[in-house]
Amino acid sequence: GAVVSQHPSRVICKSGTSVKIECRSLDFQATTMFWYRQFPKKSLMLMATSNEGSKATYEQGVEKDKFLINHASLTLSTLTVTSAHPEDSSFYICSASFTLVGGYTFGSGTRLTVV
Amino acid sequence: AQSVTQLDSQVPVFEEAPVELRCNYSSSVSVYLFWYVQYPNQGLQLLLKYLSGSTLVESINGFEAEFNKSQTSFHLRKPSVHISDTAEYFCAVSFLGGATNKLIFGTGTLLAVQP
Repeated sequence: GAVVSQHPSRVICKSGTSVKIECRSLDFQATTMFWYRQFPKKSLMLMATSNEGSKATYEQGVEKDKFLINHASLTLSTLTVTSAHPEDSSFYICSASFTLVGGYTFGSGTRLTVV
Repeated sequence: AQSVTQLDSQVPVFEEAPVELRCNYSSSVSVYLFWYVQYPNQGLQLLLKYLSGSTLVESINGFEAEFNKSQTSFHLRKPSVHISDTAEYFCAVSFLGGATNKLIFGTGTLLAVQP
C-alpha cells in the first residue's frame, strides 16, 4: 500500500518551454505532498509543501512563479517548471504524507533535462 | 535551528567488513528519524525508521540504527556489508509540531563496498 506514481520518469525539453510533472497517490489520500529537487551527487532539497485545496508553501530561495505547484485533489499534485532553462535540469522527486504516523512515500522521480 | 548532518560524504569499505554511517540532527522539538537508500538512477527506498519505543530499529536486510537522544544521533550500522549494498544513504528527520511534518534530508553518504 501507500504507492505514489510519478511521471514522466524522464523528460527533455527546449529552453523556454514549460514542463509538468505529475504525482499521484494510488491507494490512499495524500493530505500533504512534498516536492524535492536533487542535484547530481547531492542531497534532496525540499522545494515546497502542498496541502490539498490550498496554496503551496515554498522553502526559502525557491521561486514560486517558476515552480508552480497545484494540489487540486487528495490524489494528485503537479509541479510545473515554467520557462525552463538549462540550470533547471535536475532530478525532481515528489513525496506524499499519509495519515499513518511517520508515513512518507516517494515517487520514483523525474529526470528533467533542458536543452 | 533544525538541521540534519551526515559528516561522511563517502565511506569506502571492503566486502564483509562492518560499517557505520553517521547521522546527527539539531532540533528543539520531537523528531521522527529515517534512513533511506538510493541506488543509481533510482528513487528512494525506506530502509528503516524510528518513531517511538525501542531506540534500536532494524531493517530486513541486516541494517540497524540506534536513536540516541542525548547525542542527537541516529547512526546506521551493518555488521557485514555486501557489494550490493553500494548505494547512497540518506538520513532524514521529520521535525514534529509544525503545521506539516516536512521531511528534511542530510547530504547523503555514498557507501562504496569493494571486493
